[in-house]
Amino acid sequence: DQQVKQNSPSLSVQEGRISILNCDYTNSMFDYFLWYKKYPAEGPTFLISISSIKDKNEDGRFTVFLNKSAKHLSLHIVPSQPGDSAVYFCAASANNNNDMRFGAGTRLTVKP
Amino acid sequence: GAGVSQSPRYKVAKRGQDVALRCDPISGHVSLFWYQQALGQGPEFLTYFQNEAQLDKSGLPSDRFFAERPEGSVSTLKIQRTQQEDSAVYLCASSLIQGGSYNSPLHFGNGTRLTVT
Repeated sequence: DQQVKQNSPSLSVQEGRISILNCDYTNSMFDYFLWYKKYPAEGPTFLISISSIKDKNEDGRFTVFLNKSAKHLSLHIVPSQPGDSAVYFCAASANNNNDMRFGAGTRLTVKP
Repeated sequence: GAGVSQSPRYKVAKRGQDVALRCDPISGHVSLFWYQQALGQGPEFLTYFQNEAQLDKSGLPSDRFFAERPEGSVSTLKIQRTQQEDSAVYLCASSLIQGGSYNSPLHFGNGTRLTVT
């Protein structure tokens, strides 16, 4: 069962514009959400996270928004840079347990 | 120091062969995780260790899969009698504290790509 869904397999944006990556989840017990970034032939690297007590967390060019009622979160990157081109995974966990669930990923391409 | 190290980077096995995949976590990291990532999918949880104790193995797909971390550092994921459906990238991750979620995100290795022919 896909408890974390990233419905857009790919996204292409122009350098300097905003990139918005979306993620939906079905398990209402999830209370911690993370975004990971993955370059080819490398493992995912942690980017930014948010707990369910917040609706926004910002770190430089990256902001994650959480809408609990809609079970939706999004990652905003602004301004987008060519080095941001990678696959982005959304992940979620419940009660700090060990079984973190990942979405299938969205491949972001930022064109110069 | 160094990040999470996995070996080999690539492994080709004939169907029915046994394989062993190694993970060296970041020194001092308590928690260690194994994930399986099929092509075009996100990582799927396999098993979790806190130090040497395997606290959760609910994600292991069959009894052909076995993981160990005998001294609480290096871990080995063993797959017996490999099948074609075992072909995937196997990712190891570690985190500083237990659980690996709150305030201690997972640090992933580069993975081992297993191809079963």
